[in-house]
Amino acid sequence: AQRVTQPEKLLSVFKGAPVELKCNYSYSGSPELFWYVQYSRQRLQLLLRHISRESIKGFTADLNKGETSFHLKKPFAQEEDSAMYYCALSGFMDTGRRALTFGSGTRLQVQP
Amino acid sequence: DAGITQSPRHKVTETGTPVTLRCHQTENHRYMYWYRQDPGHGLRLIHYSYGVKDTDKGEVSDGYSVSRSKTEDFLLTLESATSSQTSVYFCAIRTSGRFDEQYFGPGTRLTVT
Repeated sequence: AQRVTQPEKLLSVFKGAPVELKCNYSYSGSPELFWYVQYSRQRLQLLLRHISRESIKGFTADLNKGETSFHLKKPFAQEEDSAMYYCALSGFMDTGRRALTFGSGTRLQVQP
Repeated sequence: DAGITQSPRHKVTETGTPVTLRCHQTENHRYMYWYRQDPGHGLRLIHYSYGVKDTDKGEVSDGYSVSRSKTEDFLLTLESATSSQTSVYFCAIRTSGRFDEQYFGPGTRLTVT
């Protein structure tokens, strides 16, 4: 079974401070990992995917297979980054079909 | 938004009544998913579909059924709504290109009283 753990429910930082949102996973195969963001009362949006190693809105995330982690980082937080962030793993279910498993989410609050 | 809409956007219903939520997509995607979002649980997969008349159960399927008679529509039915099914329901499609990623609908907020 696949599992995604986000240990922090809430992360509060000041504007300009560095941000790290933690994500750990458990999966027996080769994982595909994603970060999704949900701004207040909006739909979830894909923020970034590990396979493309991109930087979106200043955020980056590196897959560490040894530590089974995929932490999201940003060097200088902005107030507009305040949102709910979900880490997700795409893997094969018991049915043999692919589906996403989400972590419980971390709310990021960036204070002025 | 990958052409995904959900209806209704808000619904209040009474315990024991049947409820059907609709997800509609305009881009002919094969794979569709239903999730529920609850505080402390994130998003949990209810059912998913790999095509017309091809559906599978997810992590929290008890009390829910789905149907997909057309590519563009994926219906989620609560056979007899309970208060524990009060939640926000999201539909998603999965693209089948290079990256396996999902795009979400705007959500349906369901309250069961």
